[in-house]
Amino acid sequence: EAGVVQSPRYKIIEKKQPVAFWCNPISGHNTLYWYRQNLGQGPELLIRYENEEAVDDSQLPKDRFSAERLKGVDSTLKIQPAELGDSAVYLCASSPSWGDTQYFGPGTRLTVL
Amino acid sequence: KNEVEQSPQNLTAQEGEFITINCSYSVGISALHWLQQHPGGGIVSLFMLSSGKKKHGRLIATINIQEKHSSLHITASHPRDSAVYICAVSNFNKFYFGSGTKLNVKP
Repeated sequence: EAGVVQSPRYKIIEKKQPVAFWCNPISGHNTLYWYRQNLGQGPELLIRYENEEAVDDSQLPKDRFSAERLKGVDSTLKIQPAELGDSAVYLCASSPSWGDTQYFGPGTRLTVL
Repeated sequence: KNEVEQSPQNLTAQEGEFITINCSYSVGISALHWLQQHPGGGIVSLFMLSSGKKKHGRLIATINIQEKHSSLHITASHPRDSAVYICAVSNFNKFYFGSGTKLNVKP
């Protein structure tokens, strides 16, 4: 069974440019998470979806970040415009339902110059 | 104040040593998770537990709900165990992550 797929794996952009990340969760997993992880720190939740509904986006910087999960499967996370401080690894994870074991994707390492 | 605290932050051990990583939390939880992250790699879930103890190979996880404390033990450590170990807790609607313990096992 395929795991959580993310693309791209690496992205380098200049500040003020837009960037988008894509995530394909494990088939049948209703819950999808987007995290940001800075070097030497644990993951920080940005947004959680239950099917297509965003149920926790309290940590998402809504002035520049947006996310969607159309049809309750794939999800995209967008930053526009990117700032230097957005450089981090963006992780996607999915689980069968809330509280279950999460399965993480490989992450997208974003560098903003 | 972080809801999940781990200790130590960094740990160096010799191959074969018994290793303990500690996790304390301050919120009510429904489950506690131990995760492993290799350098440059993704995160893998090792254990999810809400009481007692679980064992998988050389890894053992315990939790004491009354003391709000969990430990991850590695017996007969090996260089391939070198990774960051992250403790996380989940409650009704939130996940809280510790900042991780970086383990380096030397041959």
